[in-house]
Amino acid sequence: EPEVTQTPSHQVTQMGQEVILRCVPISNHLYFYWYRQILGQKVEFLVSFYNNEISEKSEIFDDQFSVERPDGSNFTLKIRSTKLEDSAMYFCASTGGSHNEQFFGPGTRLTVL
Amino acid sequence: GQNIDQPTEMTATEGAIVQINCTYQTSGFNGLFWYQQHAGEAPTFLSYNVLDGLEEKGRFSSFLSRSKGYSYLLLKELQMKDSASYLCAVWDSNYQLIWGAGTKLIIKP
Repeated sequence: EPEVTQTPSHQVTQMGQEVILRCVPISNHLYFYWYRQILGQKVEFLVSFYNNEISEKSEIFDDQFSVERPDGSNFTLKIRSTKLEDSAMYFCASTGGSHNEQFFGPGTRLTVL
Repeated sequence: GQNIDQPTEMTATEGAIVQINCTYQTSGFNGLFWYQQHAGEAPTFLSYNVLDGLEEKGRFSSFLSRSKGYSYLLLKELQMKDSASYLCAVWDSNYQLIWGAGTKLIIKP
């Protein structure tokens, strides 16, 4: 069964460093999403991406964040200068249609020291 | 502001039935999802409701009343593996998925 994959599973970085979180969505899906979940808190929408551009973004998704689909398979989230409060689990999701079930990847746990 | 309310925690007995409620106030509505999340894992899809009424899928059913801003997830014949958090999420008018904090369901033998 096709699945969304994410790498790395765990990333530890120093405050102020740049990190790139990688996702490979399900191959025939068209809509891609990033969410984050701070430990013990609710899932939060960051950004949606369709047709090689951002469809929607939340208030959390400020200038420190960017997304890219550099090739036909990868979908990346970049945080330019990490802050302590960026420590969270970051989930990538994809769907074949905008109103359909979103399939989530296993997540990347980001720890900022 | 946008708000989704669910009980923080519920306890039920193996083999029993449990109903998890969700109320929402969002800027627009384009559907409501229920997801299951085990600790440390990603959410997995359970159901999607966009019209009023009951959607049944095996042991799980989900109900929606748009006029009341209300949904519930009904779990029957509870099994120990159903111990997890259950997340209610709403598509708002911008098709952003707004999430509730989740209901932690504890199943006792």
